[in-house]
Amino acid sequence: GAGVSQSPSNKVTEKGKDVELRCDPISGHTALYWYRQSLGQGLEFLIYFQGNSAPDKSGLPSDRFSAERTGGSVSTLTIQRTQQEDSAVYLCASSLGAGGPRQFFGPGTRLTVL
Amino acid sequence: KQEVTQIPAALSVPEGENLVLNCSFTDSAIYNLQWFRQDPGKGLTSLLLIQSSQREQTSGRLNASLDKSSGRSTLYIAASQPGDSATYLCAVNRYNNNDMRFGAGTRLTVKP
Repeated sequence: GAGVSQSPSNKVTEKGKDVELRCDPISGHTALYWYRQSLGQGLEFLIYFQGNSAPDKSGLPSDRFSAERTGGSVSTLTIQRTQQEDSAVYLCASSLGAGGPRQFFGPGTRLTVL
Repeated sequence: KQEVTQIPAALSVPEGENLVLNCSFTDSAIYNLQWFRQDPGKGLTSLLLIQSSQREQTSGRLNASLDKSSGRSTLYIAASQPGDSATYLCAVNRYNNNDMRFGAGTRLTVKP
């Protein structure tokens, strides 16, 4: 497709379960970003990738959160032992390169932890 | 730490009115600033991007200004339409850094 896609669009899970969220960036975009948007709050930066490496992981809220990117394309964000406070919309974005070019966002994955 | 604030949090106007959304940021060392639109249940759409060396950008009925020294940006929407109803987010991108800091957004409602 022409845009950033994310799957699943919605995920409901029980507290304590692990979840994987997927992001397919725009073809040719080398930079990929993950953000979290909690109810009533602004977007919170989580992590970004340049190629397959993640120079900045400072935004990950805890060691239960991890992300990887393979082949310079698809990325997965994994949340282990989910907690209710992890409930949010997780947004992925991609851009042609690092350093500030326009980012294009996916529709997000709405995660609900019961 | 960069803090981005948007005022007002919500705004309701009648159709046809011109309006201004405000964004302020605490660290003036920015690479660029973007205004986004977010519709319910959807991702973000970039509206305007202003580089740190620029003062303003225009696209159709939208005009965004940037005053880096004072840490302020405004988004001006002319002749508002019901289709403009959405949440508008301001985000700043720092030098040598690839995370954008977002404001909490302004939820705009344009009444027919």
